[in-house]
Amino acid sequence: DSGVTQTPKHLITATGQRVTLRCSPRSGDLSVYWYQQSLDQGLQFLIHYYNGEERAKGNILERFSAQQFPDLHSELNLSSLELGDSALYFCASSERYSSEQYFGPGTRLTVT
Amino acid sequence: AQSVTQPDIHITVSEGASLELRCNYSYGATPYLFWYVQSPGQGLQLLLKYFSGDTLVQGIKGFEAEFKRSQSSFNLRKPSVHWSDAAEYFCAVGDKNNNDMRFGAGTRLTVKP
Repeated sequence: DSGVTQTPKHLITATGQRVTLRCSPRSGDLSVYWYQQSLDQGLQFLIHYYNGEERAKGNILERFSAQQFPDLHSELNLSSLELGDSALYFCASSERYSSEQYFGPGTRLTVT
Repeated sequence: AQSVTQPDIHITVSEGASLELRCNYSYGATPYLFWYVQSPGQGLQLLLKYFSGDTLVQGIKGFEAEFKRSQSSFNLRKPSVHWSDAAEYFCAVGDKNNNDMRFGAGTRLTVKP
């Protein structure tokens, strides 16, 4: 158990819908990272937040957004969902942005 | 642009045999290199990392990796594989701030009894 929690574990929704994925980092970790893992794209970095502020963006679509709240938990919002958004979404946290990342178990999103 | 190549999609080894998983990277600056393992239904766990210094790094679970700058490689090795090592292994490259980490496609390891 990495100490990073993600909810929900599984999510099934229809095209065009909007969903929110939640991540609680390890206690004391200030950085949160989001990744998408799909069969065709592999594992891709989406976005990094540090202590509430966005630090870096990767291959994140404009339909996706994220935020980190004062209690340091983070949410990834996915809107206008398409079939191709079906994937495993991982959150990771680290104490600082240069420290080892600890990954959560992921949220499996299925868009039908 | 930075990228990581893992040439082997799937490797099968017998329990007790040695293992080497290949990783080649392309990175413009000083690379920070990582190996992660992912068991079915689990998140990724860091096995080891290389930032600088000794090019042979030791990790958890008896794994080691060697950084070879001249070959742009960071291969993962284990002298004797255990059945519990069966998993997917990912090589990754990034900067010192963990930003924009690039992962390889992964190598699935099967261990035969």
